[in-house]
Amino acid sequence: DQQVKQNSPSLSVQEGRISILNCDYTNSMFDYFLWYKKYPAEGPTFLISISSIKDKNEDGRFTVFLNKSAKHLSLHIVPSQPGDSAVYFCAARGGSNYKLTFGKGTLLTVNP
Amino acid sequence: DVKVTQSSRYLVKRTGEKVFLECVQDMDHENMFWYRQDPGLGLRLIYFSYDVKMKEKGDIPEGYSVSREKKERFSLILESASTNQTSMYLCASNTSGRYTNSGNTIYFGEGSWLTVV
Repeated sequence: DQQVKQNSPSLSVQEGRISILNCDYTNSMFDYFLWYKKYPAEGPTFLISISSIKDKNEDGRFTVFLNKSAKHLSLHIVPSQPGDSAVYFCAARGGSNYKLTFGKGTLLTVNP
Repeated sequence: DVKVTQSSRYLVKRTGEKVFLECVQDMDHENMFWYRQDPGLGLRLIYFSYDVKMKEKGDIPEGYSVSREKKERFSLILESASTNQTSMYLCASNTSGRYTNSGNTIYFGEGSWLTVV
């Protein structure tokens, strides 16, 4: 039972345009959501997060939107740059422990 | 900056060998985790530990064990390596402070590539 779903395995975008990565979740107990970026042969690095009490969080070119009623969040990257090409993982936290549940990831390719 | 260090980046082991993957964090974090990453499967939690000598099974603990004798160190053990354990293994840590500004962000090491032949 996959509680965090990233339904698009890959996304290709032109440099300078917007990249939108989507994530859906099923567990209503999730109260915090994070996005991680991963380059090949490296560990994931934290990108941006959002609490369930908010619907938007912005950090430079990166914005995360949360729609609790739809159990959906999205990461917007504007403008996209070739260096943004990586696998992006959506993650969610909930319950009494502090582990994260990850989606399967979306490979973003930004073409020059 | 948080530092999570995995001792081995690349290992090649034979089927049936005992394998140790070591991880050290320098931020005095209470929680430590071992994940594996496989193409198309994302990051899957193997084991985690919320205190010294404490451990809990994650989603895929079969074939693995862990050891946490000191707060900063968390080891993953493959008692008898098999080819289906060929993967990238990621150690991570975070604090138990639930309402920190970081929101319990998990910090990852650089990963250990294990090939079992």
